[in-house]
Amino acid sequence: KAGVTQTPRYLIKTRGQQVTLSCSPISGHRSVSWYQQTPGQGLQFLFEYFSETQRNKGNFPGRFSGRQFSNSRSEMNVSTLELGDSALYLCASAQGTTSSYEQYFGPGTRLTVT
Amino acid sequence: AQSVAQPEDQVNVAEGNPLTVKCTYSVSGNPYLFWYVQYPNRGLQFLLKYITGDNLVKGSYGFEAEFNKSQTSFHLKKPSALVSDSALYFCAVRDPAPDSNYQLIWGAGTKLIIKP
Repeated sequence: KAGVTQTPRYLIKTRGQQVTLSCSPISGHRSVSWYQQTPGQGLQFLFEYFSETQRNKGNFPGRFSGRQFSNSRSEMNVSTLELGDSALYLCASAQGTTSSYEQYFGPGTRLTVT
Repeated sequence: AQSVAQPEDQVNVAEGNPLTVKCTYSVSGNPYLFWYVQYPNRGLQFLLKYITGDNLVKGSYGFEAEFNKSQTSFHLKKPSALVSDSALYFCAVRDPAPDSNYQLIWGAGTKLIIKP
């Protein structure tokens, strides 16, 4: 089976712009979660989608949003980018909800905001 | 508040020695516990989980973890460390509160360095 794929892998944006990141889960997986990873803050949970419904949301401002499509693919959007949004954004998929099933992570999208 | 702690930012172990990466949690009810590992340039990977049953859980790459309910701990162990075990390790626990939608709570991570 193909693993979790994320596009693009690298992205450079300017402060104030918006960005959309994409994630394709492993075939058959219904849950997709998004995380932000920075050297100072570690791994921060953004949100989890299961069967197109947002199941959980972390403590991030409303500038961060996401959605999941009927084929389980997911997108994450960040509007009005700030310098502090520079991070590695990881997507993970699971067969079921992440609280019970192991997650499979993609390689991440490295976002740099200048 | 529900929480999970990895008390050591970094653990240094000589190759061939046993290793322990610590994780303690504070949640009510019965926790589900996970260990994940992030190797350099290889992304995050699932190592093992405890849901119920035997307190000693065996996982990938020779790792195991012991669930200790009285000490609210789920320490990761390996009897003989390899240099290739050097990585960032994350502990995660499921919040058992129904109103949390059973969200996973992540530890801050522990950097494990195995020296030859």
